[in-house]
Amino acid sequence: DVVMTQTPVSLPVSLGGQASISCRSSQSLVHSNGNTYLHWYLQKPGQSPQLLIYRVSNRFSGVPDRFSGSGSGTDFTLKISRVEPEDLGDYYCLQSTHFPNTFGAGTKLELK
Amino acid sequence: QVTLKESGPGILQPSQALSLTCTFSGFSLSTYGMRVSWIRQPSGKGLEWLATIDWDDDKYYNPSLKSRLTVSKDTSNNQAFLKITSMDSADTATYYCAWSPAYWGQGTLVTVSS
Repeated sequence: DVVMTQTPVSLPVSLGGQASISCRSSQSLVHSNGNTYLHWYLQKPGQSPQLLIYRVSNRFSGVPDRFSGSGSGTDFTLKISRVEPEDLGDYYCLQSTHFPNTFGAGTKLELK
Repeated sequence: QVTLKESGPGILQPSQALSLTCTFSGFSLSTYGMRVSWIRQPSGKGLEWLATIDWDDDKYYNPSLKSRLTVSKDTSNNQAFLKITSMDSADTATYYCAWSPAYWGQGTLVTVSS
């Protein structure tokens, strides 16, 4: 199985500040078709995960440009600039290049 | 507009089998490339991928649970199904179906308790 190592576990931030979350995979997430299926989600309390970034760096519909994704191979990063109150919650990365699909353990973005 | 909704028993006893239904709209599981996945999340914990079923009826399972899982679909009624046998308290969780990666259902809480 591909292990997704997500850091940090907890990330205190100030409103208006910047946050960065890392996901590293135990093997390359480049699919045989050339795509990299690494996605980022935000989950707010009592809600389903909502897609922020798909395939490394593509913002999903309606996602503010404060969110950006980058990386390649085994090393990926989600950056949030100008953090707003609605950005607080649990962030997860998901790799769906390989079966079984695997999630990172999550990062709690909270106020400093 | 893509929507998915899970339905299930809510509560069941240890050793019973769980049957969940995912009813969706906005896409067809008979269309090339479509797939539905099942994911679960114990309260206060992280996400665990369980299984995926493809448009061509290919099925993929989490190896840690494979012997207990069965996924299936009814394309004419836009539904997917997940069955888990021998449920235990450790299986208590919110279960989601998803048209991964973008669209998830609201989840259904399943509690295993005697």
